[in-house]
Amino acid sequence: DAMVIQNPRYQVTQFGKPVTLSCSQTLNHNVMYWYQQKSSQAPKLLFHYYDKDFNNEADTPDNFQSRRPNTSFCFLDIRSPGLGDAAMYLCATSKPGTSYEQYFGPGTRLTVT
Amino acid sequence: AQSVTQLGSHVSVSEGALVLLRCNYSSSVPPYLFWYVQYPNQGLQLLLKYTTGATLVKGINGFEAEFKKSETSFHLTKPSAHMSDAAEYFCAVRVNAGNNRKLIWGLGTSLGVNP
Repeated sequence: DAMVIQNPRYQVTQFGKPVTLSCSQTLNHNVMYWYQQKSSQAPKLLFHYYDKDFNNEADTPDNFQSRRPNTSFCFLDIRSPGLGDAAMYLCATSKPGTSYEQYFGPGTRLTVT
Repeated sequence: AQSVTQLGSHVSVSEGALVLLRCNYSSSVPPYLFWYVQYPNQGLQLLLKYTTGATLVKGINGFEAEFKKSETSFHLTKPSAHMSDAAEYFCAVRVNAGNNRKLIWGLGTSLGVNP
């Protein structure tokens, strides 16, 4: 089945230690998104890619970076995680020429110690 | 500016009772509307969507929603709640303009189902 895969499902990192979360998709969608979701809150868009074109949200901290080496893969890098970055990180994809409904991966739960 | 309002951060129903989750939106252009469900420690799953055409849309798991332009609403219903419906539900809107690729999200409604 076509899907969005996120690894790892659970990630523990230390305060200030860089961490990378990965997302891959077999849907062949042009658009990939990264969201941050804190407990009992709506997802908050960090950035998205249309193919290689990177689109950052104005309020996304510089601490968050992303890479998309090819259509299938997208990475979220947190350069110096703080305690406030502990959250669920969700990757999603969508396809141009449609209603842009988004397909989500299972998420990575990040804990910062 | 576009926005989505979900009335009630938590709704509790008895098993077998009607489920009604409310969503109102504001948009200056015709929107696309979505309902997503999220189970604990999972990603979001698309329940149903409205783009154009029939205003009553049916989704997975017996859910349906009706787009009412005059009321700027897109409420989610299910005739008979199951225990497995307990989850977080998010309403989202995409402004159908240009190459807009983003969704605007409501704050979510947590649905509890009592036996």
